[in-house]
Amino acid sequence: DTEVTQTPKHLVMGMTNKKSLKCEQHMGHRAMYWYKQKAKKPPELMFVYSYEKLSINESVPSRFSPECPNSSLLNLHLHALQPEDSALYLCASSQDEVGALPQHFGDGTRLSIL
Amino acid sequence: GENVGLHLPTLSVQEGDNSIINCAYSNSASDYFIWYKQESGKGPQFIIDIRSNMDKRQGQRVTVLLNKTVKHLSLQIAATQPGDSAVYFCAEKAGGSYIPTFGRGTSLIVHP
Repeated sequence: DTEVTQTPKHLVMGMTNKKSLKCEQHMGHRAMYWYKQKAKKPPELMFVYSYEKLSINESVPSRFSPECPNSSLLNLHLHALQPEDSALYLCASSQDEVGALPQHFGDGTRLSIL
Repeated sequence: GENVGLHLPTLSVQEGDNSIINCAYSNSASDYFIWYKQESGKGPQFIIDIRSNMDKRQGQRVTVLLNKTVKHLSLQIAATQPGDSAVYFCAEKAGGSYIPTFGRGTSLIVHP
């Protein structure tokens, strides 16, 4: 079982909907990450939070809005998504931002945009 | 079984064979390398890592080899089992950066 828990496992939404993806870890890690993964491709980094502050935004469109309410939780708020945003969204954590690899990944949320 | 570079993304082997998955990395400043296994419907799972001051590291049934001269990384799996079927990603981290970059991935199929 993964130590990083993501909910929901699957999500189908229309382009006008607002939904949120959730990620939780209880390993005491202080760095958390969102990745997007298309089929048969490697994960692509979207956001990095370090000590609950956003430290990296890889030029992600504003229709994706991350939030880190506390050191154990990471959310990704979705609004007005496009069909090309359909993908597996992975959350990961590591002990801290610098030199504390490897990352631990959750099993992802499979997102489908209608 | 062995795949060469990133031009053969699928490797098929028989159960019990040894598997070799290769990865060519691009950044000569990379100082840390990781192999992940991703099974269908799951997230990437850490297998083994190696730092640039080493050229070989062994785990349980797995060995990672690093050749910095030609910027090549390989993952050897001994006595491959059907449960080893997955996509394997290498990832490299450059010195001065803290986020690893994933390589293309190789799909390993193990036939019983």
